[in-house]
Amino acid sequence: EVQLLESGGGLVQPGESLRVSCAASGFSFSSYAMSWVRQAPGKGLEWVSTISGSGGSTNYADSVRGRFTISRDNSKNTLYVRLNSLRAEDTAVYYCARPFYHDNSGYYWWGQGTLVTVSS
Amino acid sequence: QSALTQPASVSGSPGQSITISCTGTSSDVGAYNFVSWYQQHPGKAPKLMIYEVSNRPSGVSNRFSGSKSGNTASLTISGLQAEDEADYYCSSYTSSSTRVFGGGTKLTVL
Repeated sequence: EVQLLESGGGLVQPGESLRVSCAASGFSFSSYAMSWVRQAPGKGLEWVSTISGSGGSTNYADSVRGRFTISRDNSKNTLYVRLNSLRAEDTAVYYCARPFYHDNSGYYWWGQGTLVTVSS
Repeated sequence: QSALTQPASVSGSPGQSITISCTGTSSDVGAYNFVSWYQQHPGKAPKLMIYEVSNRPSGVSNRFSGSKSGNTASLTISGLQAEDEADYYCSSYTSSSTRVFGGGTKLTVL
């Protein structure tokens, strides 16, 4: 059974940094691109970033490029996103997601999400 | 990276059919058959309902169907049921190798 479990969310002040993790199990982790999707309170879904299975290719939304860094450790079956220079508008539930069967086949598996709150 | 355009809300009575549109550009929806649709109930993670424009994952009711014409994709739900009341989001791959979601549509079953 595929499982995705996020951790690392919390309350941080504007300008601070945070690393959010997603522990994956139940599938061959290195075979799949993985993504982060976030949802601000009461708002819609926003794609944040995607990393290839090998980790050699990454893509970012304009809103986070240069501030967030996606990475993965295939030996630990874990996905990460480093959130730097955090702003109030980064407050959201951060979900990790795995595509159905290829990179662009839609996100079938989702974690439960971890809440990041940026506030002074 | 502008969000895809969806109606903010749609409604229908039980048994009726509704359609939610998702309008993008020739750089996303119009360029690729990588449009997906998600259902999200309050406090829950999204659920994939349609992938690659018109394909349903196993376990998703055949009352849900997807299509695309030009830069606009559509999700149709037939035989509306109370449990279909939720938020629905479309998403597309883009020519910049990014992904983009729509703003979401709240479906109310009257």
